[in-house]
Amino acid sequence: GAVVSQHPSRVICKSGTSVKIECRSLDFQATTMFWYRQFPKQSLMLMATSNEGSKATYEQGVEKDKFLINHASLTLSTLTVTSAHPEDSSFYICSARIEGLNYGYTFGSGTRLTVV
Amino acid sequence: QKEVEQNSGPLSVPEGAIASLNCTYSDRGSQSFFWYRQYSGKSPELIMFIYSNGDKEDGRFTAQLNKASQYVSLLIRDSQPSDSATYLCAVSNQAGTALIFGKGTTLSVSS
Repeated sequence: GAVVSQHPSRVICKSGTSVKIECRSLDFQATTMFWYRQFPKQSLMLMATSNEGSKATYEQGVEKDKFLINHASLTLSTLTVTSAHPEDSSFYICSARIEGLNYGYTFGSGTRLTVV
Repeated sequence: QKEVEQNSGPLSVPEGAIASLNCTYSDRGSQSFFWYRQYSGKSPELIMFIYSNGDKEDGRFTAQLNKASQYVSLLIRDSQPSDSATYLCAVSNQAGTALIFGKGTTLSVSS
């Protein structure tokens, strides 16, 4: 149980285009979803926290107009990287907090974004 | 800024040895502590979580927590080559609403 399905797993896009990453909670309702970014040999850096039905809270230094997060339902959260540039190339991972479950968080399988 | 510190390694141990991974955190109000294993190009997978001071054992893994020293460790007994990965220490913020990750320690187990 408590599976988050993340798609796509890999995407290559041209500079200037937009890419949408989806995370779906398959067997539970994800009230809160976290979006992380991980550069090679670096740790996971929290980008933003989204709560269903409300605006996402972005971490300092993360451009909210560039990384659009939508959490319109309890089972789907999306991250759209707009006007992508090569420096946006990274590994993006979503995570959901599970209420009442003692290990608390479950992760999507990640999306490797390459901007050329 | 709340921080989680880990030695990046690499930590190299021979097969069958004990691997000891350490982590310190700055937020004294943190209540939940996690160890994740991450293989290259993959998402983190949970190894252990611990909430109370002391030791918690699960198979070959033992997590140790000392809140007074703001220190968490992970011991891996009888290390196997398949344990070779990056181990991420994660600490919840005081509100329990998000995880803060360390940079990870790379473990290499040689056969």
